[in-house]
Amino acid sequence: AQKVTQAQTEISVVEKEDVTLDCVYETRDTTYYLFWYKQPPSGELVFLIRRNSFDEQNEISGRYSWNFQKSTSSFNFTITASQVVDSAVYFCALSEGFFLGGGADGLTFGKGTHLIIQP
Amino acid sequence: EADIYQTPRYLVIGTGKKITLECSQTMGHDKMYWYQQDPGMELHLIHYSYGVNSTEKGDLSSESTVSRIRTEHFPLTLESARPSHTSQYLCASSGRQGHTEAFFGQGTRLTVV
Repeated sequence: AQKVTQAQTEISVVEKEDVTLDCVYETRDTTYYLFWYKQPPSGELVFLIRRNSFDEQNEISGRYSWNFQKSTSSFNFTITASQVVDSAVYFCALSEGFFLGGGADGLTFGKGTHLIIQP
Repeated sequence: EADIYQTPRYLVIGTGKKITLECSQTMGHDKMYWYQQDPGMELHLIHYSYGVNSTEKGDLSSESTVSRIRTEHFPLTLESARPSHTSQYLCASSGRQGHTEAFFGQGTRLTVV
C-alpha cells in the first residue's frame, strides 16, 4: 500500500527566511509519480510540481525548489526567501498504477504542512 | 488555469436531507475524482471515474454515491445527510495521458446540523 508522510504539521518562519517542507513516501511500485500541491485559505488545491520515479533531477522554479531522492524515498520542497503570500497548507502526494482501463490512480496525500510566514 | 467548478461552495443542511454536490469541468478530462478533507486537513479519495458510465469507490469508505453520465459532470449525492458527513469535499479531474496532474475545484464545505 502506498503512504505519504509529512512529519511537520506546522512551520512558522519570518519572512525572507528559507524553509524546507519534508515529504517521505512508501510504495511497492517501481513506477510512480510524486506531486506537491498548495492549498491557500480559499480552499482549492493548486498544482505545483509533478515528478516521475525515473527522473531524480532536482528542479528549481523561481523561489521554489524540489529535491527528489529515491534512496531515502523523499521528495522535499524548499521555498527560498519566503513571502507572506506563501502562507498556506502544502500537500505532498503519490500516485501509483497506470490508467490502462483499470487500477486506482487517485492521489494518496500526506496530512499536509501548514506553513505560516510572519511579516 | 483550471476549469473545474464546484457548487455550492458552502452548504448547511439538516440531518436526513438528500443533497447533491455538483462538479463540472470544461477541460474534456476523462478522469474525475472526489476527495473528502477532514478538519485535520487530511485528504481521502472517496470516489473516482475513468469516464462515462465508470465509477469506483476510493480508499475511504463513504455513504455517498456518484454518477458519470456526461464526461464533464461528476455529481456526488448523499441520500440522507448526517452530522458525520460534515466535511470539505473536493472534486478533481485529470487527463488521459499517464499521470498528468489533477486539477481541483474550490471545494464544497458541507455542514450537517
